[in-house]
Amino acid sequence: SQTIHQWPATLVQPVGSPLSLECTVEGTSNPNLYWYRQAAGRGLQLLFYSVGIGQISSEVPQNLSASRPQDRQFILSSKKLLLSDSGFYLCACVTGTNEKLFFGSGTQLSVL
Amino acid sequence: SQQGEEDPQALSIQEGENATMNCSYKTSINNLQWYRQNSGRGLVHLILIRSNEREKHSGRLRVTLDTSKKSSSLLITASRAADTASYFCATDEAYNTDKLIFGTGTRLQVFP
Repeated sequence: SQTIHQWPATLVQPVGSPLSLECTVEGTSNPNLYWYRQAAGRGLQLLFYSVGIGQISSEVPQNLSASRPQDRQFILSSKKLLLSDSGFYLCACVTGTNEKLFFGSGTQLSVL
Repeated sequence: SQQGEEDPQALSIQEGENATMNCSYKTSINNLQWYRQNSGRGLVHLILIRSNEREKHSGRLRVTLDTSKKSSSLLITASRAADTASYFCATDEAYNTDKLIFGTGTRLQVFP
């Protein structure tokens, strides 16, 4: 079965600094990959999803971007963080004909 | 944007009681899923129901789907303190099964 690695678990960054969050998947190939953001006590907001290398669908472009340089690697980036970028970032994948999302353990980002 | 709205936002019950959560969505779907999230963790898949199904069971979970009303409910029977968590519904879109959108979630507290 697949495993999702997401790091770091916690990140504190100053406003205006860059961001790079990486997510890697093991145990499967050609997964659909997702980035979600969750504000404290709220639901999940879909940020980006990818159905293949180099293919990115953006739901909330704003200050963030995503890239998929390899089949099992999904990166979330920002050139300059805003206070509003704070939140819990979750990477998830769907594999093969299995329609269920498998989630990583998440990154709690605080922008100060 | 979020596809689903869930109610109640929060629910507190005693062990042994049943818990019912509802989810409404906006567009036509192929399937609807329910997930559970313990505080500060990634989400875990509970159950999937397809648009041509009306009811599905898994252990103490019972899910119903009414596509005419664009709504679903999750019933947890004989609740336990360990069921304390947030519960989310997630839907795809009929013409884009790769896009998975979550509802706002219900926070369930089960008191021993």
